[in-house]
Amino acid sequence: VQLVQSGAEVKEPGDSLKISCKTSGYSFASYWIGWVRQMPGKGLEWMGIVYPGDSDTKYSPSFQGQVTISADRSISTAYLQWSSLKASDTAIYYCARGWGAFDIWGQGTMVTVSS
Amino acid sequence: QSALTQPASVSGSPGQSITISCTGTSSDVGTYNLVSWYQQYPGKTPKLMIYEGSKRPSGVSNRFSGSKSGNTASLTISGLQAEDEADYYCCSYAGSSTFYVFGTGTKVTVL
Repeated sequence: VQLVQSGAEVKEPGDSLKISCKTSGYSFASYWIGWVRQMPGKGLEWMGIVYPGDSDTKYSPSFQGQVTISADRSISTAYLQWSSLKASDTAIYYCARGWGAFDIWGQGTMVTVSS
Repeated sequence: QSALTQPASVSGSPGQSITISCTGTSSDVGTYNLVSWYQQYPGKTPKLMIYEGSKRPSGVSNRFSGSKSGNTASLTISGLQAEDEADYYCCSYAGSSTFYVFGTGTKVTVL
């Protein structure tokens, strides 16, 4: 079982961005995939989660409307996207599998937003 | 929804036992038996150590144990070892509006 995330990104404020989490080794449609933010030197924050089986998506109130989470069953990949980045979006973003507990994690994607 | 409250740091000598608390509310820890704990080394990916309050995934040392009382969950590390030095985070399900909330994190130091 593996979750492999896309590479580091450097963007400017106002840019759009979509990062990915490609899974393998299990039935992608049968497990929730969540996203977790870790700002520099800070703790973990739960952002939201998607069930690839029916694309049901749930967001933390703190991130609702700020990001979009989605999944493509045809390529076993989950996504996290922004339409307009802010400097405060600078962080490492992890994808993680599960509901109730997150048993497998991606390696993280560092997103840097700076002018 | 505020983060669950953990002590910023806990320390112990090799061989000792330490306990990390994770205090929530009746809307999260106190109601749901879906508390999990994660270990994170600096610059590394978090690792699941405990799920459903007290269950250990395959491969996790039995030196790690979890429990809950009221609105507070706890992670105990017995027979503390140098390799246990890391950050630890709790996480709880918090209902169908908030879903999940992480703790503030605890840095464990082995003296």
